[in-house]
Amino acid sequence: DTEVTQTPKHLVMGMTNKKSLKCEQHMGHRAMYWYKQKAKKPPELMFVYSYEKLSINESVPSRFSPECPNSSLLNLHLHALQPEDSALYLCASSQGPRMNTEAFFGQGTRLTVV
Amino acid sequence: QQQVKQSPQSLIVQKGGISIINCAYENTAFDYFPWYQQFPGKGPALLIAIRPDVSEKKEGRFTISFNKSAKQFSLHIMDSQPGDSATYFCADILTGGGNKLTFGTGTQLKVEL
Repeated sequence: DTEVTQTPKHLVMGMTNKKSLKCEQHMGHRAMYWYKQKAKKPPELMFVYSYEKLSINESVPSRFSPECPNSSLLNLHLHALQPEDSALYLCASSQGPRMNTEAFFGQGTRLTVV
Repeated sequence: QQQVKQSPQSLIVQKGGISIINCAYENTAFDYFPWYQQFPGKGPALLIAIRPDVSEKKEGRFTISFNKSAKQFSLHIMDSQPGDSATYFCADILTGGGNKLTFGTGTQLKVEL
């Protein structure tokens, strides 16, 4: 199983809402990532978790709050988002930090903030 | 965050032709250079990758050429097919920096019949 599963596939939320994006992998990977991708742009790194600990935060606004409950799950909690936060949010995982191995990406959650 | 320059931005190739996409990097600490393919509405998928101690790697119709002295690497797609039409991203990984995977700007490839 080389799959990274993201839910939901689509999400529409108001600026005062609180919602969460979920990501799951069962490949035994110990590094997990959140990326944000705007239309016709490359994915931009937001957060990296290594062995369930946050190792990289690319100066992401606090309205995005990541959580890694265990080695298979990664959440992204959303609160008080702005319309410009509308994008495709991608989760990825790789075997581990300090290893040149493939990062597997999920299909993404298409987020629209209204 | 952008550390890899990619060109061209878009590319149209006839079926059976060769598609060539180029990338240039600055940080010599990068130690892994993957290429990702992304279809509309899908997440990126790894196509092929190379380490800087190798000058060329071939997998099927896809070849990476790596020029360490020029800090450049390129993707060649031989016998391009309409099914290859997608966006291609080069990337680099700084494993000493917590496996920070950074993408190039992307190339939208269209293969015409």
